[in-house]
Amino acid sequence: GESVGLHLPTLSVQEGDNSIINCAYSNSASDYFIWYKQESGKGPQFIIDIRSNMDKRQGQRVTVLLNKTVKHLSLQIAATQPGDSAVYFCAEKGGYNKLIFGAGTRLAVHP
Amino acid sequence: GAGVSQTPSNKVTEKGKYVELRCDPISGHTALYWYRQSLGQGPEFLIYFQGTGAADDSGLPNDRFFAVRPEGSVSTLKIQRTERGDSAVYLCASSAQREGTEAFFGQGTRLTVV
Repeated sequence: GESVGLHLPTLSVQEGDNSIINCAYSNSASDYFIWYKQESGKGPQFIIDIRSNMDKRQGQRVTVLLNKTVKHLSLQIAATQPGDSAVYFCAEKGGYNKLIFGAGTRLAVHP
Repeated sequence: GAGVSQTPSNKVTEKGKYVELRCDPISGHTALYWYRQSLGQGPEFLIYFQGTGAADDSGLPNDRFFAVRPEGSVSTLKIQRTERGDSAVYLCASSAQREGTEAFFGQGTRLTVV
């Protein structure tokens, strides 16, 4: 079927390399951020979150960095695997915990 | 089921027709959200239910769009007089709405208006 991320910027990496995906947000009052992974034909899947009182949080093979000064988030994926190929979105939590998504980045992992 | 279920997976309709999209949230999740995702973009918020009531419908684009959740579980998104610009993937998400809990998304309904 059609790809969700047809017109998105693409990051191409070799299998085994580290990947860094960046995201800028606009609301300086935002206090909770989440990274989602979306594979073609599927809904977004939670990867990792971070609160504004932190500047770094680590999960399994993933790290999120938050720079509140410049309103910037990044997602680092260690030892990228073919299964990591997807579109990645950052999101802020707004009122009523609704999610405000960024534009997304397609990650393409090559063997 | 274990996850959020949306039906149908795909819906093709003619311009001007009425459509209903269904969302079955995870059992026990009181919060339910509808989002719309156009090609190449991130999901955009439409409406939020807490229990049976729509607590925030600020994302609905116009009065052709309406959603209900009469028993606080299943929700239906209704679109009247569909237009070609309504073509998108409609995503539903549910959460337990406790501090720090994540929202779980369904696979979406791809709506195509021809």
